[in-house]
Amino acid sequence: SAVISQKPSRDICQRGTSLTIQCQVDSQVTMMFWYRQQPGQSLTLIATANQGSEATYESGFVIDKFPISRPNLTFSTLTVSNMSPEDSSIYLCSVERDGFTEAFFGQGTRLTVV
Amino acid sequence: KQEVTQIPAALSVPEGENLVLNCSFTDSAIYNLQWFRQDPGKGLTSLLLIQSSQREQTSGRLNASLDKSSGRSTLYIAASQPGDSATYLCAVLRDNYGQNFVFGPGTRLSVLP
Repeated sequence: SAVISQKPSRDICQRGTSLTIQCQVDSQVTMMFWYRQQPGQSLTLIATANQGSEATYESGFVIDKFPISRPNLTFSTLTVSNMSPEDSSIYLCSVERDGFTEAFFGQGTRLTVV
Repeated sequence: KQEVTQIPAALSVPEGENLVLNCSFTDSAIYNLQWFRQDPGKGLTSLLLIQSSQREQTSGRLNASLDKSSGRSTLYIAASQPGDSATYLCAVLRDNYGQNFVFGPGTRLSVLP
């Protein structure tokens, strides 16, 4: 398995501000993934983050709104920019061990925008 | 486009019962299927991973089966306990290029003491 630490676990933010979420993995992985889970909904993939290259965003998600950094093989950040109440969600990071397709998730960041 | 559904949406059972959660998917061309557990407001915990070539996987009181041709998977929980109360999600992986899961909406399980 993989141990994933996500910070913060929750936050309440004012609209128009930005929040950066950190994801730390206990071992090196090639790809890290960021998901959003809106209230009452299932998970939607935001983007895939590879070390040393720009993140690849899914349809409906853009870099200006969700900039991602991947400075090394064990760490990534997701920023939720210029927040509105519609951004209130749980944000999760996920990894796969290289060579395996079993996915492991962090404990999530519960974001409320007021 | 792959769609994943889960039945029932919610389930409440007394402690000790055996139960079955169902997952259906529309496109049988999957790479694998994974079952997760999610506690309220929390992240996901991986329960079982079934490769497309496998028919079932077991871990403790959990058994997951896969019938790819009919687009179905079931998660069997034996001798349920209050600690099993959570939302159970199934997710299908289309291929092994990236993590392009399609998640089901989940089954919310309550096990009553």
